[in-house]
Amino acid sequence: GESVGLHLPTLSVQEGDNSIINCAYSNSASDYFIWYKQESGKGPQFIIDIRSNMDKRQGQRVTVLLNKTVKHLSLQIAATQPGDSAVYFCAENPLLGGSNYKLTFGKGTLLTVNP
Amino acid sequence: DADVTQTPRNRITKTGKRIMLECSQTKGHDRMYWYRQDPGLGLRLIYYSFDVKDINKGEISDGYSVSRQAQAKFSLSLESAIPNQTALYFCATSQDRAEQFFGPGTRLTVL
Repeated sequence: GESVGLHLPTLSVQEGDNSIINCAYSNSASDYFIWYKQESGKGPQFIIDIRSNMDKRQGQRVTVLLNKTVKHLSLQIAATQPGDSAVYFCAENPLLGGSNYKLTFGKGTLLTVNP
Repeated sequence: DADVTQTPRNRITKTGKRIMLECSQTKGHDRMYWYRQDPGLGLRLIYYSFDVKDINKGEISDGYSVSRQAQAKFSLSLESAIPNQTALYFCATSQDRAEQFFGPGTRLTVL
């Protein structure tokens, strides 16, 4: 069945280092992917998205990489700051099968930034 | 002002009580969603609505019902709350298949 999973449930980095958060997905029909950030006590916030016709997309300090061959998604955060500490979720949206409403979420990775 | 608001933010209730969680949005989006979040399980979809006359079950709709009173309002009801419905509940909105915008969440505890 469809699934979105994460390789690492927790990640601890030093302030100023780069962070890489990984996500595996199993539905080859997925054509749209999103990364969300959830800070403690808040709802998930959109960070960046990517469509399946791209393999890389950059935002401010963040880059998302998509490898459709191995169904892998990653979020790279440059110069990680204490304010980046949060849980990060990937989500996928399959185009086919009449399920275009549905974002399937991964379970999340907790990123902790040490000063 | 927040684009997606939820009330209440916290609620403690007893088993068997009827509970309603409210969601309002000012984004003008047609699509609205209710999710629950449990530790280690991520976000799971309860119900979703594409417009005022459209209601659809998500993956975990049993024990819940919803009402789409207007484009901007989508409420979630627990007809008879049980302890395993203790969770964080999030409302979200979207315009077509684009990103979903989430509210701040409601922490519900059922004793």
